[in-house]
Amino acid sequence: GGIITQTPKFLIGQEGQKLTLKCQQNFNHDTMYWYRQDSGKGLRLIYYSITENDLQKGDLSEGYDASREKKSSFSLTVTSAQKNEMAVFLCASSTPWGDAETLYFGSGTRLTVL
Amino acid sequence: LAKTTQPPSMEAYEGQEVNVSCSHTNIATSEYIYWYRQVPHQGPQFIIQGYKDYVVNEVASLFISADRKLSTLSLPWVSLRDAAVYYCIVTVLTRGFASALTFGSGTKVIVLP
Repeated sequence: GGIITQTPKFLIGQEGQKLTLKCQQNFNHDTMYWYRQDSGKGLRLIYYSITENDLQKGDLSEGYDASREKKSSFSLTVTSAQKNEMAVFLCASSTPWGDAETLYFGSGTRLTVL
Repeated sequence: LAKTTQPPSMEAYEGQEVNVSCSHTNIATSEYIYWYRQVPHQGPQFIIQGYKDYVVNEVASLFISADRKLSTLSLPWVSLRDAAVYYCIVTVLTRGFASALTFGSGTKVIVLP
């Protein structure tokens, strides 16, 4: 089995600050994702990457940058933190499984903006 | 327009069977049905997926109606550990290409002792 490690678990920043969230996976998966989950809500896709150095925008990419310099890692940068984007950020990776895909998620980074 | 519709919440006692329904009236022939669940302070976890008829694994069973417009996730003998938000997702089959699953608000299953 493998694991997805997200760091830090808790991130506190000031409004307007640039903040970076990191994700590592040892599944050797090609595809990685960043989702945002607001309190009590579903998940919204921010960015995903199908291979090293590839980046694809999701529905919520504005205000965020991403970086996939290695197959095993995927970083997300909040370019200017705002109070209304306090949420849990979830990283995931996936592999084709037969003809289908399943996602494996990390435990999340909880962002607080002061 | 939402691709799936689920009840927002449901309750059950420990030891009961729980059936979580999901309506996907506009499902396309190329789309599969996935179910995930999310316990507090964790990311979602895959439970089961299917295309038609009936699928069962060690965790749950999935019944899909003949017209594929409705699916029902069945959890036998729930315990407190099954308390979670259950997500039904419909998405296009992919072969070697990345697809991003869309998670709605899900169904919160409350298990009573």
